[in-house]
Amino acid sequence: NAGVMQNPRHLVRRRGQEARLRCSPMKGHSHVYWYRQLPEEGLKFMVYLQKENIIDESGMPKERFSAEFPKEGPSILRIQQVVRGDSAAYFCASSPGQSQETQYFGPGTRLLVL
Amino acid sequence: ILNVEQSPQSLHVQEGDSTNFTCSFPSSNFYALHWYRWETAKSPEALFVMTLNGDEKKKGRISATLNTKEGYSYLYIKGSQPEDSATYLCAFIHYGNNRLAFGKGNQVVVIP
Repeated sequence: NAGVMQNPRHLVRRRGQEARLRCSPMKGHSHVYWYRQLPEEGLKFMVYLQKENIIDESGMPKERFSAEFPKEGPSILRIQQVVRGDSAAYFCASSPGQSQETQYFGPGTRLLVL
Repeated sequence: ILNVEQSPQSLHVQEGDSTNFTCSFPSSNFYALHWYRWETAKSPEALFVMTLNGDEKKKGRISATLNTKEGYSYLYIKGSQPEDSATYLCAFIHYGNNRLAFGKGNQVVVIP
């Protein structure tokens, strides 16, 4: 049973470009969470999705960031017109159900904006 | 803003010694506390999910306790081994939402 998969593992973008980060949850998991770790900071919640629905996006910046979890395929975190401050490690986690249950983390995507 | 504090931020432990560290969190509207172990260049690995006041959980030489009334959890490592070197994260879940609010972690280095 494969764990949470994220790709790419490393992504380099120039300012103004778009970044697309993908997350495939563990088999049987319908809940996906995205977290961001800025340099010298801890993990911060961004968004919580279930299949085809955004449940909680209170941690996501209002502009340039969007997330989806379609019926088929991976969850996508999309950052438009990236800026240097977006450079961070982005982690995805999945769980089979509610928040009391363990969230299983992927290996992360390291985004570097030049 | 949910403040989750972990102390000490980092510690060095001699192989064979036991150690412990603290996670403090808001005591109101508690829902659950998660502990993770995070090795460099790997994914955070789930250790425990704790929900009830007085909970004690154990996994090998690692154990944790929970006090929801005063808002703290202790993580213990008994007989530390070099492979225990990692950052230990605690994360709090507030009643009514699903997001993990993480502390900055306790970085443990076990010296052979």
